[in-house]
Amino acid sequence: RKEVEQDPGPFNVPEGATVAFNCTYSNSASQSFFWYRQDCRKEPKLLMSVYSSGNEDGRFTAQLNRASQYISLLIRDSKLSDSATYLCVVNIGRGKLIFGQGTELSVKP
Amino acid sequence: NAGVTQTPKFQVLKTGQSMTLQCAQDMNHNSMYWYRQDPGMGLRLIYYSASEGTTDKGEVPNGYNVSRLNKREFSLRLESAAPSQTSVYFCASSEPGEVAKNIQYFGAGTRLSVL
Repeated sequence: RKEVEQDPGPFNVPEGATVAFNCTYSNSASQSFFWYRQDCRKEPKLLMSVYSSGNEDGRFTAQLNRASQYISLLIRDSKLSDSATYLCVVNIGRGKLIFGQGTELSVKP
Repeated sequence: NAGVTQTPKFQVLKTGQSMTLQCAQDMNHNSMYWYRQDPGMGLRLIYYSASEGTTDKGEVPNGYNVSRLNKREFSLRLESAAPSQTSVYFCASSEPGEVAKNIQYFGAGTRLSVL
């Protein structure tokens, strides 16, 4: 079993749609959690950290369920510029991040 | 503010050739990392350096060596390149901070092809 697993997609959605990405992780001692965004042929960039209480940043909402070892990202009112690959990332300690394989999102006009 | 700078951006090697990928950060971060990214797979850690003077193996260290030259620079060396090392290589740095969040900042990547 992979340490971090994501739906690979691709998710093809129209502008304005709401889309949700799911992620599970296997290491129960994981310390912190993130969503990164990666545009085609570019480097990953931090989108948002994920907190147990859930957190929101504009159109983006992240949730963490430690008991189920599950992380989610919800994007509301999708824009063309949201098209990218979204990486679920888990900090397992000692400076090590584990990356999911990414979920590709394509937002169409 | 340059952040994390990697050189070169592209490289083509023949099997058996050697090369060094360079990485430098100007954020005064203690920790630096080298990853590779292959199609359909997440980033995989090759080596990391928690602080100047220390290096540790990651998930896929075979065929690579690293040098933490100083706080700013962390290089990755392929001694004898193999086609299996064809990949996109990313360098990253982070400052764990009090809560050890380990938010990492990435360079633009090096696209390496080994023929």
